[in-house]
Amino acid sequence: AQKITQTQPGMFVQEKEAVTLDCTYDTSDQSYGLFWYKQPSSGEMIFLIYQGSYDEQNATEGRYSLNFQKARKSANLVISASQLGDSAMYFCAMRAGSARQLTFGSGTQLTVLP
Amino acid sequence: DAGITQSPRHKVTETGTPVTLRCHQTENHRYMYWYRQDPGHGLRLIHYSYGVKDTDKGEVSDGYSVSRSKTEDFLLTLESATSSQTSVYFCAISVAGASTDTQYFGPGTRLTVL
Repeated sequence: AQKITQTQPGMFVQEKEAVTLDCTYDTSDQSYGLFWYKQPSSGEMIFLIYQGSYDEQNATEGRYSLNFQKARKSANLVISASQLGDSAMYFCAMRAGSARQLTFGSGTQLTVLP
Repeated sequence: DAGITQSPRHKVTETGTPVTLRCHQTENHRYMYWYRQDPGHGLRLIHYSYGVKDTDKGEVSDGYSVSRSKTEDFLLTLESATSSQTSVYFCAISVAGASTDTQYFGPGTRLTVL
């Protein structure tokens, strides 16, 4: 069975600073993918970034980067230069092996302070 | 914009009544999913479809059925709604990308069962 753990229910960061949101995962599959989604207060789920288990480089998308540490089974999201619009719930998710569905963590509520 | 709509967007119903939620996509993607979101649980898969008339159960399928008679529509039915089915329901599609398939989500349906 696959499991995603996000241990930070809530995080605060000052505007323009960087923040790291933690995600650890558990799977016995060698092939898997890790995803991060953003859910603002309006409710929609927005895809941010993807990391494959065989990718040698950490994924980056604009201000988002994924700090992938395979031996530690962690896939932390780093947001650089936080903006007020980054305030949202952030979910880490995994798809493992031949499964089509995503397994989600419980999320981290990020608040960016002016 | 992944071209996914959900209807209705909000619904209040009473225990024991049947409810059908509709997911519509405009781009003929093969895979479609229904998730529910509850506080502290992230998103959990209810059912998914891998083609017309082809569906499979997810993690929390009890009390739900699905149908897909056309590529563009995926229906979720609560045969006899219960208060435990009060939740936000998200439909998703898989979109093939350069490195992986990524799930994109509809706007969600907030269902309240009284």
